[in-house]
Amino acid sequence: LAKTTQPISMDSYEGQEVNITCSHNNIATNDYITWYQQFPSQGPRFIIQGYKTKVTNEVASLFIPADRKSSTLSLPRVSLSDTAVYYCLVGGNTDKLIFGTGTRLQVFP
Amino acid sequence: DVKVTQSSRYLVKRTGEKVFLECVQDMDHENMFWYRQDPGLGLRLIYFSYDVKMKEKGDIPEGYSVSREKKERFSLILESASTNQTSMYLCASSLVNSGTYEQYFGPGTRLTVT
Repeated sequence: LAKTTQPISMDSYEGQEVNITCSHNNIATNDYITWYQQFPSQGPRFIIQGYKTKVTNEVASLFIPADRKSSTLSLPRVSLSDTAVYYCLVGGNTDKLIFGTGTRLQVFP
Repeated sequence: DVKVTQSSRYLVKRTGEKVFLECVQDMDHENMFWYRQDPGLGLRLIYFSYDVKMKEKGDIPEGYSVSREKKERFSLILESASTNQTSMYLCASSLVNSGTYEQYFGPGTRLTVT
């Protein structure tokens, strides 16, 4: 199972774009990259998933370079409500997804 | 919307007690998971199940067992609770071959063992 490495914490201000990068050097050919968001006292919530290039939804964008050894979650114009822990995971549907410790994003007014 | 419910939000048990944590999902998902979450350690997988009566060990199965007699229900059992099992327990479910690897999480059960 591919291990992921991401920053422990990040700070930002409202209205800014936030980019959280995750490295996964040992990603397998059939692995997808998935990001989750977790607020305090709640279970994680799926944000976005991708295999290669760029994926965009109403919440975020996910950029994956050709070698797939890293990925970047981009949150456009963050607000205070985006303060949460963000997890990067790699694996397949029936794999044991490893959540790790995530990146704690703090958004300031 | 998918709904994953857990039997209790907060639970206090004594050392040595047998503890049952129940999880129910209402979307006919094949996969179900149990995680524990501790400060500084993130989420760690305890057990998961691909189908009824099937179970697989996760990363930290010691001290736990599971039961999946019906597709919608996945139970986590602490045979003899210990203080080091004080934690937040999260249940999740997912659909096989859905095109995404999205897991749906319940609200969690905060278990305190005294």
